[in-house]
Amino acid sequence: DAKTTQPNSMESNEEEPVHLPCNHSTISGTDYIHWYRQLPSQGPEYVIHGLTSNVNNRMASLAIAEDRKSSTLILHRATLRDAAVYYCILRDVPGGSQGNLIFGKGTKLSVKP
Amino acid sequence: NAGVTQTPKFRILKIGQSMTLQCTQDMNHNYMYWYRQDPGMGLKLIYYSVGAGITDKGEVPNGYNVSRSTTEDFPLRLELAAPSQTSVYFCASSYSGWGNGYTFGSGTRLTVV
Repeated sequence: DAKTTQPNSMESNEEEPVHLPCNHSTISGTDYIHWYRQLPSQGPEYVIHGLTSNVNNRMASLAIAEDRKSSTLILHRATLRDAAVYYCILRDVPGGSQGNLIFGKGTKLSVKP
Repeated sequence: NAGVTQTPKFRILKIGQSMTLQCTQDMNHNYMYWYRQDPGMGLKLIYYSVGAGITDKGEVPNGYNVSRSTTEDFPLRLELAAPSQTSVYFCASSYSGWGNGYTFGSGTRLTVV
């Protein structure tokens, strides 16, 4: 199974941009890159996903390296509510076991006022 | 829309007791999943279903059973509760197809004593 590597923790200041890195050197051509976050005492929340091109939505941006072996989740202006554990996950074709989301330990983001 | 609804939110079981964790979704998603999350850890997949009448094992299926008689419902059954099953349980659903995000429920916190 393709796997991801993320830093255990990161700190940011409020209202500053945050760049959360993820390495996935064994990614296959059919793997989508997903990001989820989990706020304290809540279920995971979908943030963004992409395949090859950079993606933007109202929550964040996803920058994918040209060789797809790494990606970066960008929060443009961190708020205290963004303090959470962020998971970078590779998802293959759904329907088989490889299509399921497999969670690692993620990156715990702390935001300082 | 309610999204993914889990009941109960909290439960204490005695060793050897049985219970069913309920999960229902109103988004007409084909795919549904059960995860457990132990303290300080990422989520582990217990069972998943790609449609009504179809279920399959995930990473940690021992001690659990599931059924999927309708698109909306995906209950998780614990037959003989053990302390090792103390955890927070999350149900999720998604559309079939590549790259779609999961929607998670708010979780059931289970303690087995």
